[in-house]
Amino acid sequence: AIQLTQSPSSLSASVGDRVTITCRASQGISSALAWYQQTPGKAPQLLIYDASSLENGVPSRFSGSGSGTDFTLTISSLKPEDFATYYCQQFKNYPLTFGGGTKVEIK
Amino acid sequence: QVQLVESGGGVVQPGRSLRLSCAASGFTFSSHGMHWVRQAPGKGLEWVAVTSKDGNNKYYEDSVKGRFTISRDNSKNTLYLQMNSLGVEDTAVYYCARGNWNSLGYWGQGTLVTVSS
Repeated sequence: AIQLTQSPSSLSASVGDRVTITCRASQGISSALAWYQQTPGKAPQLLIYDASSLENGVPSRFSGSGSGTDFTLTISSLKPEDFATYYCQQFKNYPLTFGGGTKVEIK
Repeated sequence: QVQLVESGGGVVQPGRSLRLSCAASGFTFSSHGMHWVRQAPGKGLEWVAVTSKDGNNKYYEDSVKGRFTISRDNSKNTLYLQMNSLGVEDTAVYYCARGNWNSLGYWGQGTLVTVSS
C-alpha cells in the first residue's frame, strides 16, 4: 500500500499567519491527491482534489501544489475557523490511504 | 442537497457481527462509487472499502479483507457494510462517503461502532 507521511503532525499558529503542510507519498502518485479539513466532532470536508484544484465553495486562501511524491497544502492567511486537523489522501492505487493528519492549533 | 445518513452502529461483543447502512438522497446514487471510511477515537482517518457504481467492483483495506463486505442496493439508494468477526481494533466512527474518481466529496455524519465485552 502507498504510505502518506504528513508533516508536521501538529503546529501552532496565529490568525493571519501563512501555514504550509506537506504530504509525502512512498511512491509516485502523479496528481492523485486530495486534502480534507476536519473539525472536532464533524465529518471531514473536501478542500482540494487533483493535488491543486479547489473544491467549489472552499475559500481561495487554501491552495494545493505538487505532483509525484511531494505535495503541499497552504493556507495563505489563517482565519479562526481554520483551526482544525488536515488530512491528505491518495487516489492512485487501492487500497486508498490517508496521511496521519496535521493538527493546526491556536498559538 | 446531497445527504448521507449512516445507521446501525452500537455496542457489540468481540467476535460478533454488525451491519451498517448509509441512506443516500439528493443525487443519483447509481452514478457514484461509494466508500466507507473509519476513525478510531482520537485517531486519524482510515479508508475501509469502496464499491463501484453498479456494485460489481469492490476493494478493501487489508485489515478488513475477508471480514467486511461492502454492498449497495441502487433501488433503495442505500450502501451497506457487513462487519463480521469484529475485534476491539474495529472500534471507530464509520463514515460513508460519495466518491468521485479523485476525491470524497460528500460525507455522512458517521455512526459509532464500539466493540467491547
